[in-house]
Amino acid sequence: QVQLVESGGSVVQPGRSLRLSCAASGFTFSSHPVHWVRQAPGKGLEWVAVISFDGSNQYYVDSVKGRFSISRDNSKNTLYLQMNSLRDEDTSVYYCARDRTNTYSGALDLWGQGTLVTVSS
Amino acid sequence: DIVMTQSPLSLPVTPGEPASISCRSSQSLLHSNAYNYLNWYLQKPGQSPQLLIYLGSIRASGVPDRFSGSGSGTDFILKISRVEAEDVGVYYCMQGLQTPCSFGQGTKLEIK
Repeated sequence: QVQLVESGGSVVQPGRSLRLSCAASGFTFSSHPVHWVRQAPGKGLEWVAVISFDGSNQYYVDSVKGRFSISRDNSKNTLYLQMNSLRDEDTSVYYCARDRTNTYSGALDLWGQGTLVTVSS
Repeated sequence: DIVMTQSPLSLPVTPGEPASISCRSSQSLLHSNAYNYLNWYLQKPGQSPQLLIYLGSIRASGVPDRFSGSGSGTDFILKISRVEAEDVGVYYCMQGLQTPCSFGQGTKLEIK
């Protein structure tokens, strides 16, 4: 079954860290860039980060640069998002999503179900 | 950074009637390969987003042909030829030409 399954979301205090995972199955994970997209409660979609198919390149939205780190382990078919120095405004559902080709196009043709991160004291 | 602006933000539609959503980018989305890196998504209530249209005008797999995308450069349109009840949700455009990628604010389609 072709799917992405996120995990790792929880309630965390401001300033703390959290690592999200996204497990891929049913397709050649190592052939696709993968993105993280988030959605704050009741709000629209916000692009967060992308990593190239081989993990050699990563890009971030300004609001998370220096705090978040995207990585992947192609031997485990898994994507990660390490989130440090968390802020209230990072509270969101975090989705991982596959780019449909081996280059970046923003055409995200497979999405996970999302995992909720709540930053609160 | 490229800013994406959608209109309208709310779209009430009678079933069977057409609908259209506009998306404008602050910079041209035309790649050197002649494709526009503009994608359309639908997020149905309680669900993850799904890809409708990519590279400006190509329907994603399984998307009904009542959905179509057009435009080039900075101005794009998503059209639904005949709205059905299952089309309710929030529609987003997203540019993938440059990082950071960016979404429009979303257009909420509801049935009258």
